[in-house]
Amino acid sequence: EAQVTQNPRYLITVTGKKLTVTCSQNMNHEYMSWYRQDPGLGLRQIYYSMNVEVTDKGDVPEGYKVSRKEKRNFPLILESPSPNQTSLYFCASSQGQLADTQYFGPGTRLTVL
Amino acid sequence: GENVEQHPSTLSVQEGDSAVIKCTYSDSASNYFPWYKQELGKRPQLIIDIRSNVGEKKDQRIAVTLNKTAKHFSLHITETQPEDSAVYFCAARDYGGSQGNLIFGKGTKLSVKP
Repeated sequence: EAQVTQNPRYLITVTGKKLTVTCSQNMNHEYMSWYRQDPGLGLRQIYYSMNVEVTDKGDVPEGYKVSRKEKRNFPLILESPSPNQTSLYFCASSQGQLADTQYFGPGTRLTVL
Repeated sequence: GENVEQHPSTLSVQEGDSAVIKCTYSDSASNYFPWYKQELGKRPQLIIDIRSNVGEKKDQRIAVTLNKTAKHFSLHITETQPEDSAVYFCAARDYGGSQGNLIFGKGTKLSVKP
């Protein structure tokens, strides 16, 4: 089954404790992206990648890192999480190097205390 | 870069009525405009999209119209049903500094009352 998966789905952590949210897709998509969703603010892009080893900042990249060592995986790293990073995070992928039809993962709800 | 405004933020209709959600965009170079539906607790999913070479596209009860001159596009849902209740996001492809990323509106929460 074609899909985008994320882990973990739920995470409660404390300020400053490094964490990684994994994202994997099995559709051989070139483009992958991370978004955060906050009430009243919609979906805001954090980072994106147009192919292996090619990543770039989105609209709200501060406090986040990403890597794209393999085509299928695009982990989101929070080196020192803070409470303002409490949010719902979505990974997405699409075919080609542009953000065409995007397939979203199930989401990761992160709470930073 | 691209900026997308979406209105209204909430919309309540009676079952069977029509619903219209409107979006405006700023970058005249944008050429791809998708709409996503997000049910409560679920991921956003594409329901319809339109490219700038057409003015209207329909898929059963949903349709999208595009006015390139005015830089706005709209989602129309006819004969609404309770299962249409969700948050709807419009988006536009940004051809500025972000090289083709999607810029999303802030969303419209649609409630369809039985």
